[in-house]
Amino acid sequence: GQNIDQPTEMTATEGAIVQINCTYQTSGFNGLFWYQQHAGEAPTFLSYNVLDGLEEKGRFSSFLSRSKGYSYLLLKELQMKDSASYLCAVSDSNYQLIWGAGTKLIIKP
Amino acid sequence: DAMVIQNPRYQVTQFGKPVTLSCSQTLNHNVMYWYQQKSSQAPKLLFHYYDKDFNNEADTPDNFQSRRPNTSFCFLDIRSPGLGDAAMYLCATSRGTETYNEQFFGPGTRLTVL
Repeated sequence: GQNIDQPTEMTATEGAIVQINCTYQTSGFNGLFWYQQHAGEAPTFLSYNVLDGLEEKGRFSSFLSRSKGYSYLLLKELQMKDSASYLCAVSDSNYQLIWGAGTKLIIKP
Repeated sequence: DAMVIQNPRYQVTQFGKPVTLSCSQTLNHNVMYWYQQKSSQAPKLLFHYYDKDFNNEADTPDNFQSRRPNTSFCFLDIRSPGLGDAAMYLCATSRGTETYNEQFFGPGTRLTVL
């Protein structure tokens, strides 16, 4: 079967750095997405990785290792507005997105 | 701005009373998706349209139907809502290219079943 695993919840301090991990087992791989979802709102796109390595975009970076079936999202200089759920999704062999359940990130002052 | 619009944002219905949720897009994307998302869970794909081609997920209950009368609009019909159908319903679109399939989401409709 297809499976995406990510921690259920993480807590971090404002101004700090946090890394949210995602491991996946899917039938085929055509890229990995990270989305941010604030409570009661729709997911919004953060990043896309299809090749191994690190993609940096401002305070957010995303890393991919295809051989390990592993990705992480790195958030730097955390702000209170970063409190949200972070969803990992893999595009499978049919280009359908397989979604993780999300990691709820709690930022404390 | 190009966007995905869902109406209504909040919908209350009674047990067994049919309800229709609507989605429209100005992105001119080929693919439209309907997801169901319950609290702290992954979005669950119900079905999607590639242009007019309808694709139903194997485990989507028959109680859920969809229509796409044109490129811009897509509807989700729940014929006899049960208490277990209370959830956030998300509409999303994508270009449908096989090299990159970022999905763009509407704000969602939160359905309450009384």
